[in-house]
Amino acid sequence: DIQMTQSPSSLSASVGDRVTITCQASQDISNYLNWYQQKPGKAPKLLIYDASNLETGVPSRFSGSGSGTDFTFTISSLQPEDIATYYCQQYDNLPPTFGQGTKVEIK
Amino acid sequence: EVQLVESGGGLVQPGRSLRLSCTASGFTFGDYAMSWVRQAPGKGLEWVGFIRSKAYGGTTEYAASVKGRFTISRDDSKSIAYLQMNSLKTEDTAVYYCTRVMGSSWSPFDYWGQGTLVTVSS
Repeated sequence: DIQMTQSPSSLSASVGDRVTITCQASQDISNYLNWYQQKPGKAPKLLIYDASNLETGVPSRFSGSGSGTDFTFTISSLQPEDIATYYCQQYDNLPPTFGQGTKVEIK
Repeated sequence: EVQLVESGGGLVQPGRSLRLSCTASGFTFGDYAMSWVRQAPGKGLEWVGFIRSKAYGGTTEYAASVKGRFTISRDDSKSIAYLQMNSLKTEDTAVYYCTRVMGSSWSPFDYWGQGTLVTVSS
């Protein structure tokens, strides 16, 4: 199975800050990488697919980049409603696998 | 509006069976693959398995942790996907999410249900 390693595991930032999360795959996954947001007690929500494509209706402050083994997820200006855990997920190979998650909190 | 509603969760003893249902609305169910993803209490996300649309054979794939115990099926006439779980173990305790699969592959998961909790305990 392909291992997905996210960092950091958690972070605390101020409203308006730029937040960056990285995700590293254990092997080349091209651009088959998605990002999800999960708010407490809620189901995950797809934000970014195929590494850099913004899902319809998702605010433009969210973005993704990368290919191969190294990927980045960015919130350009953190908002209070962005408090959540963020997961990367690869689907280059079965089984699709998720990173361990990054918990984002407001400082 | 796309909606996925899971049902059938609950408390079950180890070794017993349970069947979850996922009722879909707001899209042409038969055109999409459907997947199940679970989340143990306080833990991350784990893919369970998926079923392709009939156009792609309606075949299934499973995670190694559930293969041979879990079975995914679908009834396109009712817009329902099922997850039959047999020989349940305590480590199967989790919230189970039904998801729609975008595109012709096994991901991304573009819509999720609210989840249903399965607790396996004696």
